[in-house]
Amino acid sequence: AQSVTQPDIHITVSEGASLELRCNYSYGATPYLFWYVQSPGQGLQLLLKYFSGDTLVQGIKGFEAEFKRSQSSFNLRKPSVHWSDAAEYFCAVRRGTNAGKSTFGDGTTLTVKP
Amino acid sequence: EAGVAQSPRYKIIEKRQSVAFWCNPISGHATLYWYQQILGQGPKLLIQFQNNGVVDDSQLPKDRFSAERLKGVDSTLKIQPAKLEDSAVYLCASSLAGGRQETQYFGPGTRLLVL
Repeated sequence: AQSVTQPDIHITVSEGASLELRCNYSYGATPYLFWYVQSPGQGLQLLLKYFSGDTLVQGIKGFEAEFKRSQSSFNLRKPSVHWSDAAEYFCAVRRGTNAGKSTFGDGTTLTVKP
Repeated sequence: EAGVAQSPRYKIIEKRQSVAFWCNPISGHATLYWYQQILGQGPKLLIQFQNNGVVDDSQLPKDRFSAERLKGVDSTLKIQPAKLEDSAVYLCASSLAGGRQETQYFGPGTRLLVL
């Protein structure tokens, strides 16, 4: 069975500092991987996705993620965090042939200090 | 382009009462999903529709939860009777056809509190 682990429940960074959110997955085949952001009172918004090809993927809002098959990881990064990035971030792995077959991690809450 | 609409945004009920949530997907999206998001956890799929047919309802507690998508557009999710453990955010999402590479678009959710 597939699973997703986000080891950090809560991360605090200073505005302007770099950010890395960790995601580890367990899945037997080539995974489809996603990062979503959820602001308070909002639904999930897709930041980026990896299906195949270049293992470094660029997303919206200046985020990027790197797929490392050997480490079963798909970590999210941003070189300089803005106060508006404070939110909850979810990593997800999708299996099967349809979009509903997704397993989400439990999320990492990001706090940004001024 | 209008996003996925959900109502109500908040609902407080007592256990054993019933409650219903409504979702209007993005126009033209054939696939609609209902997720349950318990505090501190990621979303979990409850049911997936393709047009007005059910694709996957394996995680839906069918003794108390029901969902329908008449006419293949709007959908309602009902809980009857509610239990304390049903307190969660219920997210609706839609996508064009449900393919593995498709982007899902999520609504703002309905936050349910069962007392």
